[in-house]
Amino acid sequence: QLQLQESGPGLVKPSETLSLTCTVSGGSIGSSTYYWGWIRQPPGKGLEWLGSIYYSGSTNNNPSLNSRVTVSADTSKNEFSLRLSSVTAADTAVYYCARSGLGAAAGVFFYWGQGTLVTVPS
Amino acid sequence: QSALTQPPSASGSPGQSVTISCTGTSSDVGTYKYVSWYQHHPGKAPKLMIYEVSKRPSGVPDRFSGSKSGNTASLTVSGLQPEDEADYYCSSYAGTTVFGGGTKLTVL
Repeated sequence: QLQLQESGPGLVKPSETLSLTCTVSGGSIGSSTYYWGWIRQPPGKGLEWLGSIYYSGSTNNNPSLNSRVTVSADTSKNEFSLRLSSVTAADTAVYYCARSGLGAAAGVFFYWGQGTLVTVPS
Repeated sequence: QSALTQPPSASGSPGQSVTISCTGTSSDVGTYKYVSWYQHHPGKAPKLMIYEVSKRPSGVPDRFSGSKSGNTASLTVSGLQPEDEADYYCSSYAGTTVFGGGTKLTVL
């Protein structure tokens, strides 16, 4: 059974870089069959896709956040990471990692982590 | 891509059917069949309910169905049950992924 678990600081200071890691068990991020992505949900708001990475290292980011988002992967540790730079209070959210398919299914997230709350104080 | 448009709320009594709409544009929902729906109970991980407009992942009850007409996709929940009360999000993929604002479904 595939499991994803987010980890990282729950509090990040304004202007600093948010860093989260998603540890994957029950499957390999080195598989050529899937993308691995990050999605967030600010308090009281909807879901927002941040970016995704393929096992080859190829990435695809949300254009509205493109320059601030970096998604990377460490296949030796079977984990992938999110870095979001220059954070503000607007980046306070529950951050989820998830697995999607390929091609058209790159936007279909079949498996999700439980999410982790990151707070950026104003 | 701009966020897809969903009604903020929907409701129905147990046993009834309810339909939630998701409106995009000709650049996403209207052109591509890559519309998905997620069920989200607060505090839990979102769950994929529908993908490619109308396909159900294994384990999702057939009470959940999806369709699309023009730039609007729809999720219908038939035979409403108390456990269906949740937030529902649509998403569309056209090179990048965009979600709707979410609809809170209340089972009266």
